[in-house]
Amino acid sequence: KAGVTQTPRYLIKTRGQQVTLSCSPISGHRSVSWYQQTPGQGLQFLFEYFSETQRNKGNFPGRFSGRQFSNSRSEMNVSTLELGDSALYLCASSPSGRVDYGYTFGSGTRLTVV
Amino acid sequence: KQEVTQIPAALSVPEGENLVLNCSFTDSAIYNLQWFRQDPGKGLTSLLLIQSSQREQTSGRLNASLDKSSGRSTLYIAASQPGDSATYLCAVSLSNSGNEKLTFGTGTRLTIIP
Repeated sequence: KAGVTQTPRYLIKTRGQQVTLSCSPISGHRSVSWYQQTPGQGLQFLFEYFSETQRNKGNFPGRFSGRQFSNSRSEMNVSTLELGDSALYLCASSPSGRVDYGYTFGSGTRLTVV
Repeated sequence: KQEVTQIPAALSVPEGENLVLNCSFTDSAIYNLQWFRQDPGKGLTSLLLIQSSQREQTSGRLNASLDKSSGRSTLYIAASQPGDSATYLCAVSLSNSGNEKLTFGTGTRLTIIP
């Protein structure tokens, strides 16, 4: 059974550019969540999608956005990149969005902004 | 606002010893608590999921307990091995009402000395 797949694994971007990250959840999972991990702030919740709808959003600026497709794959977009956006971005999938199933995380995308 | 704390931030123990990692949370109205391990530069691997109605969960050499009333969870690792070296994170979720997200602790970096 394939796990959560995130692409690309590594990205280097320049300040001011935009970037799109992709996450394919476990087959059959309909909920996808995104988290940002930095040494200073730890793991912070970005947003959660279920059946193509954003259900929950963390405390991040509007430059961070996402979407989910009908096959449950999700993309996260960051516009006008800043140096502080350098982080490991993790996505997690869950069968139905109910937290009693727990979450399965991908290996992450390491974004470096220069 | 839920806050999750893990003490100590780092721990080194000789191989073969049993050890306990601690996790505390400020809001006892959690839905469940999940323990993860993270290897350097990698994603999160789920270890154990404890529902709010449960007191403990076991998987192999790992045992996690939950005391909601005191806002504490512990992860017990028996007969530690060098392969157990990683950062261990606990995370709590507050609701299954469709507004799910995980709030993570700051992590404990564990080093097992051969």
